[in-house]
Amino acid sequence: DIQMTQSPSSLPASLGERVTISCRASQGISNNLNWYQQKPDGTIKPLIYYTSNLQSGVPSRFSGSGSGTDYSLTISSLEPEDFAMYYCQQDASFPPTFGGGTKLELK
Amino acid sequence: EIQLQESGPGLVKPSQSLSLTCSVTGYTITSGYDWSWIRKFPGNKMEWMGYISNSGSTNYNPSLKIRISITRDTSKNQFFLQLNSVTTEDTATYYCARSYGYNSDYFDYWGQGVMVTVSS
Repeated sequence: DIQMTQSPSSLPASLGERVTISCRASQGISNNLNWYQQKPDGTIKPLIYYTSNLQSGVPSRFSGSGSGTDYSLTISSLEPEDFAMYYCQQDASFPPTFGGGTKLELK
Repeated sequence: EIQLQESGPGLVKPSQSLSLTCSVTGYTITSGYDWSWIRKFPGNKMEWMGYISNSGSTNYNPSLKIRISITRDTSKNQFFLQLNSVTTEDTATYYCARSYGYNSDYFDYWGQGVMVTVSS
């Protein structure tokens, strides 16, 4: 299975700040990388698919980039509702696997 | 609006079977897409467990293949997870999700999750 490593595991940040979360795959995944957000109430929703494509309804302050084994999720200016857990997930190889999560918390 | 809702026992004894139901509203599970189970362990690790397709075929994570079964009841628009011979390591929050993609590996709608503890 492809191992996905996220960093940092915890990210304290302030409202309005620009933040970046990293995700590294144990082998190349050819941009087959998705991002999900989990709110404190447990709700999970997709944010980005295929590295950089925003899911319908996701605000434009979210963006994704990367290639090969290294990918990132950037939030350009943090809003209160952005403080949550974030997961990357690869769908290049079966079975799909997830990163360990990054908790974005208010500084 | 598509909604998924998990239900089932919150406590299961070791060596027994874990059985969960996912009830889907706003979309008919035979119309298209596939229907997955995913779990999140204490400590935040997430694992895709398997799916049942809109036609009824299944595909499972090889790590679980001998213990897992996903079935459905199309009359109730529900699909089910059964995990046999559970241990404490199966303690997790279990999510059902709608999925699609080459290996049915992009998840666009999720349930709220149900926490299951395996303990005697």
